[in-house]
Amino acid sequence: QVQLVQSGAEVKKPGASVKVSCKASGYTFTSYYMHWVRQAPGQGLEWMGIINPSGGSTSYAQKFQGRVTMTRDTSTSTVYMELSSLRSEDTAVYYCARALVIAVAGTIGYWGQGTLVTVSS
Amino acid sequence: EIVMTQSPATLSVSPGERATLSCRASQSVSSNLAWYQQKPGQAPRLLIYGASTRATGIPARFSGSGSGTEFTLTISSLQSEDFAVYYCQQYNNWPPPFTFGPGTKVDIK
Repeated sequence: QVQLVQSGAEVKKPGASVKVSCKASGYTFTSYYMHWVRQAPGQGLEWMGIINPSGGSTSYAQKFQGRVTMTRDTSTSTVYMELSSLRSEDTAVYYCARALVIAVAGTIGYWGQGTLVTVSS
Repeated sequence: EIVMTQSPATLSVSPGERATLSCRASQSVSSNLAWYQQKPGQAPRLLIYGASTRATGIPARFSGSGSGTEFTLTISSLQSEDFAVYYCQQYNNWPPPFTFGPGTKVDIK
């Protein structure tokens, strides 16, 4: 079965960077796009970007351009999301989420358990 | 960027009643629209994709309709486990973004 296991909670100071990992199993890692979505406390879902694990190409939401980097390691079936220049507004649960089917990148069928990132001085 | 709006923000419904949730896109997204359910402390769950196709394991009381800019999620007879927040998401364009709506909270009347 498809499993996405994310790294643990992080506490960071303003201005720092955070790197969240998401290890995939139960399917062919390079065949499905992976999204990153975040959710601030008590707020809605915010789509951050997407990575193609096959070639590593990425597309980011304009809001995060220049601050976010999504990468993958095919040898360990792991994707990473690094967010820099953190501010308090970046406090949120960050989810990795896999596309439902190969042919349609946008439908999210599987979600990781989420990683809480807290930005506080 | 395509902006998604949802109405109402909160919907109070009694168990067994019908719930109708709306989602609107700022420009046509064809049928490239998904609905997700999220309960407190949990990750979202896919309910509907392609505007009207139920995901695997989703009960038949959930149905989606619409195309273009106007979409509806209907829960025919609300069960206790259906009280949650529902989000729509468009995935029409490439490259992305694949934007979410702000959500509709369905609570107990």
